[in-house]
Amino acid sequence: NAGVTQTPKFRILKIGQSMTLQCAQDMNHNYMYWYRQDPGMGLKLIYYSVGAGITDKGEVPNGYNVSRSTTEDFPLRLELAAPSQTSVYFCASSNSDRLRGANVLTFGAGSRLTVL
Amino acid sequence: QQPVQSPQAVILREGEDAVINCSSSKALYSVHWYRQKHGEAPVFLMILLKGGEQKGHDKISASFNEKKQQSSLYLTASQLSYSGTYFCGTANYGGSQGNLIFGKGTKLSVKP
Repeated sequence: NAGVTQTPKFRILKIGQSMTLQCAQDMNHNYMYWYRQDPGMGLKLIYYSVGAGITDKGEVPNGYNVSRSTTEDFPLRLELAAPSQTSVYFCASSNSDRLRGANVLTFGAGSRLTVL
Repeated sequence: QQPVQSPQAVILREGEDAVINCSSSKALYSVHWYRQKHGEAPVFLMILLKGGEQKGHDKISASFNEKKQQSSLYLTASQLSYSGTYFCGTANYGGSQGNLIFGKGTKLSVKP
C-alpha cells in the first residue's frame, strides 16, 4: 500500500498565483485532513472531511479551499497565494476508531510551498 | 485551544531517561503522541483515553491524568533512534468530532 500520497513535494509560487496540492489515500479511510506546519508552531488544521462530499473548516481555513468528490482524493486549493502561506503542508487520513475514541492519523510525506 | 508542551527541547546521552509533558486548559477526551524526524512526516506513537495508561513500543510509555488535563510521555534508556520532535495532539471529543489540536512540539536530541 502507498498510504497517503502528496504531490508536489516542493513548489515555489509568486504572490497572487493559485495552485492545488494533491492528496490521495488508498486505505479506504473515511476521514481526511490538511495541516500546515510552520517552524516551532506545531501542526495547524486547515480543513477536514469526514467523507465524500462533506468538508469543514479547521483552525486556519482562510485563503484555502477543499473538495472531496471521492473517498480517495482530498485536494487543497490555494487562491491568490500570499507569503503567509509559505509552509509545509501535510495531508492525513484516518478511520474513525470508536473503540479508541479518536482518529489515528496517517500522514503523507508533506509538500513544501514557498510564496515569493 | 493549543495544548502546551514542556520542555521545548531536551538533549540526552544514550541510555538516559526523559519526560515530555502536555497540558490543556480544556477537558480532554483523548491524547495522541506523534514523533517527527527531521524532514519527514509525523508518525503515530500511541493514544491514551481518559484515565488510561498505555505502553507503546520499545521503552516509550505515557500516562494521562484527565482531572489535571495532562499527559506525560516517558522515554527510558533512550536510543539514538529516539531523536526527533515529539508532538502531543489532544481531542476534546470522541468520534467524528475528535479533531486533534497539536502542541508546538518538544525537540529531543539523543547523543552517543
